[in-house]
Amino acid sequence: EVQLLESGGGLVQPGGSLRLSCAASGFTFSNYGVNWVRQAPGKGLEWVSAVNGNGGTTFYADSVKGRFTISRDNSKNTLYLQMNSLRAEDTAVYYCARHTYCSGTRCGHDYWGQGTLVTVSS
Amino acid sequence: DIQLTQSPSFLSASVGDRVTITCRASEGISSSFAWYQQRPGKAPELLISASSTLQSGVPSRFSGSGSGTEFTLTISSLQPEDCATYYCQQLYSHPLTFGGGTKVEIK
Repeated sequence: EVQLLESGGGLVQPGGSLRLSCAASGFTFSNYGVNWVRQAPGKGLEWVSAVNGNGGTTFYADSVKGRFTISRDNSKNTLYLQMNSLRAEDTAVYYCARHTYCSGTRCGHDYWGQGTLVTVSS
Repeated sequence: DIQLTQSPSFLSASVGDRVTITCRASEGISSSFAWYQQRPGKAPELLISASSTLQSGVPSRFSGSGSGTEFTLTISSLQPEDCATYYCQQLYSHPLTFGGGTKVEIK
């Protein structure tokens, strides 16, 4: 059974840092791109970042570029999101989500974790 | 960046009604497009990938269509358990983007 389990959320002051983790199981982790998607309280979904299967290619939303870093450790089946210079507007539930592929093309996020809440407040 | 305009943002319909949600992309995205359902307090679930491929376990009353810039999600006969918020997403190019969401309520 495919599972994604996020951890590392919590309360942090503006300007602070936090590292989120997403532990994957039930599939060959290195074969899949994975993403971080966030949802501010009462708001819609916002894609944050993605990394390809070998970790060599990363993508970011403009809202986090230069502050957040996505990485993965395929030996530990774990995805990370290092978040620096945090702002109040980064407050959200952060989900990790796996890419699925259709004829070799990204076509959806087929598995999601349960999410971890990050609150940025003084 | 590719913008997705989803409409309506809210709809209220009766059990058994046919419901359609539309998503329009700011530029052509082929069929690199997905629909998700999110119930309150839960993670989103993938309903339809590649514009029209129903995911395993998703009831057949859900269907998706479209390519290029215009996409639709149709629920052929609305059921009480379909109360949720629905999101579209383009996966054609980074940054990936979501539509604003459609909250579906049962009258």
